[in-house]
Amino acid sequence: KAGVTQTPRYLIKTRGQQVTLSCSPISGHRSVSWYQQTPGQGLQFLFEYFSETQRNKGNFPGRFSGRQFSNSRSEMNVSTLELGDSALYLCASSKGTSGSTDTQYFGPGTRLTVL
Amino acid sequence: AQSVTQPDIHITVSEGASLELRCNYSYGATPYLFWYVQSPGQGLQLLLKYFSGDTLVQGIKGFEAEFKRSQSSFNLRKPSVHWSDAAEYFCAVGRRDSSASKIIFGSGTRLSIRP
Repeated sequence: KAGVTQTPRYLIKTRGQQVTLSCSPISGHRSVSWYQQTPGQGLQFLFEYFSETQRNKGNFPGRFSGRQFSNSRSEMNVSTLELGDSALYLCASSKGTSGSTDTQYFGPGTRLTVL
Repeated sequence: AQSVTQPDIHITVSEGASLELRCNYSYGATPYLFWYVQSPGQGLQLLLKYFSGDTLVQGIKGFEAEFKRSQSSFNLRKPSVHWSDAAEYFCAVGRRDSSASKIIFGSGTRLSIRP
């Protein structure tokens, strides 16, 4: 069974630009969660999508948004990039039916650098 | 709100020595608890999880963790570490009262192995 895939793996953008990251979950998984990982703030929850609906959201500004498609693939968008958005963005998929008891499987992440 | 504290930022142990990584949580009820490991440049891999029942949980790669309600702790242990165990380890807590898959991560403990 293929794992969680994230594209692209590396991305360099400049301030003010926008970026879209993609995540393909494990086949059969309906929940996709996104996390931001930085040296200063650690791993922070961004949002979770389940069956194309946002089910939970972390404390991030509205510049961060996401969506999920009918095939469970998910995209995350960051508009008007700031230097502080430089981070590793991790996607995790799970079956989505049992809340926190679901095992989350993480992708390798997308390393975003904002110049 | 739930929170997780990993008091040790960096630990170095000799290969073959025993290991204990500390984790303390704050949550109003019995939480769901997890330990994840992250190798450089990789996503997170689940080592073990505790939901209920036996307070000593066995995981992959020879790791175990013990849930101690009285101390609000969920420390990770391994009797004999291998050089390949060098990585960053994250403790995490999930909520029982939510259908969402959101989990809160600790700040991580970086493990180095001395040859």
